[in-house]
Amino acid sequence: DAKTTQPNSMESNEEEPVHLPCNHSTISGTDYIHWYRQLPSQGPEYVIHGLTSNVNNRMASLAIAEDRKSSTLILHRATLRDAAVYYCMSYSGAGSYQLTFGKGTKLSVIP
Amino acid sequence: GAVVSQHPSWVICKSGTSVKIECRSLDFQATTMFWYRQFPKQSLMLMATSNEGSKATYEQGVEKDKFLINHASLTLSTLTVTSAHPEDSSFYICSARDGTSGRSYTGELFFGEGSRLTVL
Repeated sequence: DAKTTQPNSMESNEEEPVHLPCNHSTISGTDYIHWYRQLPSQGPEYVIHGLTSNVNNRMASLAIAEDRKSSTLILHRATLRDAAVYYCMSYSGAGSYQLTFGKGTKLSVIP
Repeated sequence: GAVVSQHPSWVICKSGTSVKIECRSLDFQATTMFWYRQFPKQSLMLMATSNEGSKATYEQGVEKDKFLINHASLTLSTLTVTSAHPEDSSFYICSARDGTSGRSYTGELFFGEGSRLTVL
């Protein structure tokens, strides 16, 4: 699985959009990009994943660069409940199906 | 949606005792389950991978005789911390892969709520 790099922390005002970046320059052509988030004292929660095309779901949007070396998780309107650590990971789709967690980005939402 | 439930959420035990944590997939068959450990302000660290009906595969540095993992059915995996000591105090999290639907190919995992172990 490719190594991912994320900023340690970010801040956003409530009700504003948030763009969380992730670099995965060594990603292979078949690796999926996954985003999970972890609220305090809870297990991680699936947010979104994608391969090449941009993806949207009820929680967020995922914008994947054309060269796939980076991606951005977009929360369209941040709420206080979105304050969490966001993890970007790549997954090879083969073998053990392990997800390797990095340090993630701690998102703070300011009321 | 797929739900994974862990029990207990909190457990406090005396040093030297053993503690069992259960991880259940409530509405799908979990062919593979993963156990993670998370210390305060740190990321999740994978401890072991278990496939239903076979022995768990432990990550380097994780003592298999101390952290006993059983995955006897498609909906239940257990982690037993044997002879627990204060340094084993941590947040233990399980996750499961749905082995019967199309999700399995893309790698989506479903996580339990976590179990916080405090060893006195």
